[in-house]
Amino acid sequence: QKEVEQDPGPLSVPEGAIVSLNCTYSNSAFQYFMWYRQYSRKGPELLMYTYSSGNKEDGRFTAQVDKSSKYISLFIRDSQPSDSATYLCAIPEGGSEKLVFGKGTKLTVNP
Amino acid sequence: SAVISQKPSRDICQRGTSLTIQCQVDSQVTMMFWYRQQPGQSLTLIATANQGSEATYESGFVIDKFPISRPNLTFSTLTVSNMSPEDSSIYLCSVDGPSGGSYNEQFFGPGTRLTVL
Repeated sequence: QKEVEQDPGPLSVPEGAIVSLNCTYSNSAFQYFMWYRQYSRKGPELLMYTYSSGNKEDGRFTAQVDKSSKYISLFIRDSQPSDSATYLCAIPEGGSEKLVFGKGTKLTVNP
Repeated sequence: SAVISQKPSRDICQRGTSLTIQCQVDSQVTMMFWYRQQPGQSLTLIATANQGSEATYESGFVIDKFPISRPNLTFSTLTVSNMSPEDSSIYLCSVDGPSGGSYNEQFFGPGTRLTVL
């Protein structure tokens, strides 16, 4: 089983929709959970991170972690065409600088 | 945040040749990372490069195929040697952020898109 699993999509939604992006992970020792956003022909950039379980909100974005089921989510409210990008979940391996990434979900928000 | 540039941005190369990718950062950083991003695959770490020491390679990647240099705190190169079409990919460098290692934020360059014929 891979350490981080993410459905690559693609996902296409109309403008204004609520988007749900998800990852599962296998190592219960993971503590930090990150979401990166990657626009076409650009490098990934950190969007949000959370520590342990719970929710974290930043504007239209909410990151959610359920450690009991090893499930992390990113919700986008009132999605905009500018949100069209690939979203990658990433988890730091404990005790190292290494990030383990999901495959990324390509999102298209249609005007 | 760090500003990272990569050269070249893209290249088309012949089988059996080598390509060196440059990564330049606008500030001094301790750790630099090289990743490969293949279509439909996870962003995969190739190696970690610290200034003044040998790069540390991940399982499945070897120095003979991907030699790395780290001559100073703002620059690194990755060479893809004896290329085959399977090496066609996007190669990205990244640097560690100022988070103090708590959540390992990394800043990424724009990537080098390599096609091997």
